[in-house]
Amino acid sequence: DTGVSQDPRHKITKRGQNVTFRCDPISEHNRLYWYRQTLGQGPEFLTYFQNEAQLEKSRLLSDRFSAERPKGSFSTLEIQRTEQGDSAMYLCASSFLSGRENNEQFFGPGTRLTVL
Amino acid sequence: DAKTTQPTSMDCAEGRAANLPCNHSTISGNEYVYWYRQIHSQGPQYIIHGLKNNETNEMASLIITEDRKSSTLILPHATLRDTAVYYCIVYSYGQNFVFGPGTRLSVLP
Repeated sequence: DTGVSQDPRHKITKRGQNVTFRCDPISEHNRLYWYRQTLGQGPEFLTYFQNEAQLEKSRLLSDRFSAERPKGSFSTLEIQRTEQGDSAMYLCASSFLSGRENNEQFFGPGTRLTVL
Repeated sequence: DAKTTQPTSMDCAEGRAANLPCNHSTISGNEYVYWYRQIHSQGPQYIIHGLKNNETNEMASLIITEDRKSSTLILPHATLRDTAVYYCIVYSYGQNFVFGPGTRLSVLP
C-alpha cells in the first residue's frame, strides 16, 4: 500500500460546471477526511466519514458540495455549479481510529482545482 | 479558529537544530499537541504528537512545558529537505484538526 491517493491531481473547469474528485485511503483505515486549502493558509476541515457514515460536516461545506463513501473504502467529493471561490487544493486524509489517543492522519497529495 | 499561535516564519542553518515554538495557552487536560509539516505542493505529513511528556521519534523531538501552555518541536540536524510549513495543532478525541497558518521554516545552506 503506497498511501492515500487522489485523482485527478489537477482540475481546471469553467464556472458553473460540476466537478468530482476521488480519494482512495490507506486500506483498512476506518476514517476518511476532506479538507480544503487556499494559498497561504492551513488546511480547513470540510467533512469526515467513519466507515461509510458521514459523521460531521463543516459549515464551509455548502449545499453545492456533497461527499460520499459508499462502501467504506474510496470517497468522492462533488462540487456542483462551481464558483471562482471554490478554487483551492482539496486534500483527503485517512486514519485508523481505534481509541481516544492517536488520530494520526495520513494525507494524500491533493487535487488542485482552478475555476475560470 | 486555531487554538495555537506560531511565528510566521523562521530560518535555520543547515546542520543546526531547528527549534519551532508553539503557544497553546488554552489547552485542556485531555488535548494532545500534534505537529505536521507540509512541503511545497504535497499534503501535510505527520511528525509527532504528545500529551504531557516529551516525545522523540526518528524525525523530531517534542518538548512540552510543564504547564502545557507551550511546546517546541526540535529538528536536531536540519537539512534542506526540512524546508516546509510546520503546523502545531491541539486535538482531543471528538474534535477535528484545526490548522492555523503554521510556521514557514527555511533551511539555509
